[in-house]
Amino acid sequence: DQQVKQNSPSLSVQEGRISILNCDYTNSMFDYFLWYKKYPAEGPTFLISISSIKDKNEDGRFTVFLNKSAKHLSLHIVPSQPGDSAVYFCAASASRYGGSQGNLIFGKGTKLSVKP
Amino acid sequence: GAVVSQHPSRVICKSGTSVKIECRSLDFQATTMFWYRQFPKKSLMLMATSNEGSKATYEQGVEKDKFLINHASLTLSTLTVTSAHPEDSSFYICSARGRGPHQPQHFGDGTRLSIL
Repeated sequence: DQQVKQNSPSLSVQEGRISILNCDYTNSMFDYFLWYKKYPAEGPTFLISISSIKDKNEDGRFTVFLNKSAKHLSLHIVPSQPGDSAVYFCAASASRYGGSQGNLIFGKGTKLSVKP
Repeated sequence: GAVVSQHPSRVICKSGTSVKIECRSLDFQATTMFWYRQFPKKSLMLMATSNEGSKATYEQGVEKDKFLINHASLTLSTLTVTSAHPEDSSFYICSARGRGPHQPQHFGDGTRLSIL
């Protein structure tokens, strides 16, 4: 049973436009959500996170939105740049519970291609 | 940002060999380190969690005698794949997390293990 789902395996966007990456989750105990970016042959790089007490967190060109009632979060990248082309992973944890429930559960990733 | 160093990046060895992979947090104290395995076109799969100074907690289905984990200090964890066989060939990646709630995991660049 997949607790974190990224239903779009790929997304193609024109440079300068907005990229919207989506993520759904099923476990209502998740209270901490993260986005990672991964280039080939490298480990994931932490991008941005949000805790469940917020519905929006912004860092430069990256904004994460959280809709708890819909169990949905999204990552907005604006303006998109060719260097943003990578695989983006959504992850979630039930951090307040500690132990193994504090571990990250990852989605399968969405491959973003930003075309010049 | 936080840096996690993982070595070696690639290992090719004969069946029956034991292989040690190191994971170091370079600029923060990692109270918890994680070891993941990634299969082709799949998400990261957590193998085990290790806290400094205590035994690792293995996920269901992961053989603890096969995958030995040591977290001897706040900056170093090692994964030893004992008597490796071709089916152990995979991409192994570590991550580290600092103390406190809502701390993101920071990942190494992974180790590509190929057993002949």
